[in-house]
Amino acid sequence: QKEVEQDPGPLSVPEGAIVSLNCTYSNSAFQYFMWYRQYSRKGPELLMYTYSSGNKEDGRFTAQVDKSSKYISLFIRDSQPSDSATYLCAADILTGGGNKLTFGTGTQLKVEL
Amino acid sequence: NAGVMQNPRHLVRRRGQEARLRCSPMKGHSHVYWYRQLPEEGLKFMVYLQKENIIDESGMPKERFSAEFPKEGPSILRIQQVVRGDSAAYFCASSPRQRGSYEQYFGPGTRLTVT
Repeated sequence: QKEVEQDPGPLSVPEGAIVSLNCTYSNSAFQYFMWYRQYSRKGPELLMYTYSSGNKEDGRFTAQVDKSSKYISLFIRDSQPSDSATYLCAADILTGGGNKLTFGTGTQLKVEL
Repeated sequence: NAGVMQNPRHLVRRRGQEARLRCSPMKGHSHVYWYRQLPEEGLKFMVYLQKENIIDESGMPKERFSAEFPKEGPSILRIQQVVRGDSAAYFCASSPRQRGSYEQYFGPGTRLTVT
């Protein structure tokens, strides 16, 4: 079992839709969670990071962490064609064996006009 | 504030040659990480370095791969005697890694092709 699981998609939505992207993880030691956006043949771009359970909002993006169910989500409101990319979730233990990100395999999102 | 810089962006090597990949972290960041992304696979951690120190190399293949982050200059990931299976995108990330700020910022990557 992979430590961070992510549905690869592809996920296709119409412009303006609310997008929900999800990951589950198995290692209860994970403390820090990040979402990245990666366009084809580019480097991952950091979108959001959260340290604990709860919600964090930044513009059209909301990150949600539920440590009790080991579930992390990214919501994109008013999706745009420019949001079409692969979205990667990542987790970090931070201490005692941490210092590295464990990534999901990414969900490919396509926002259609 | 410049982001993480990597060079070269594309590198072609024949089997058996050496590949050197360079990474300059964001200004003010002293923690550098290297990751590898194989086609159709996720990003995999390779090594974590601070200036003049390798902190965690648990993701590095035991042979042919080495990394350094000298006191002056960029971090370097070195692959000796490359094989076709080394063809991948190699990404460097940097982090302030201080209280309350552990996020990692990635560079554009170096795409290595071994012929």
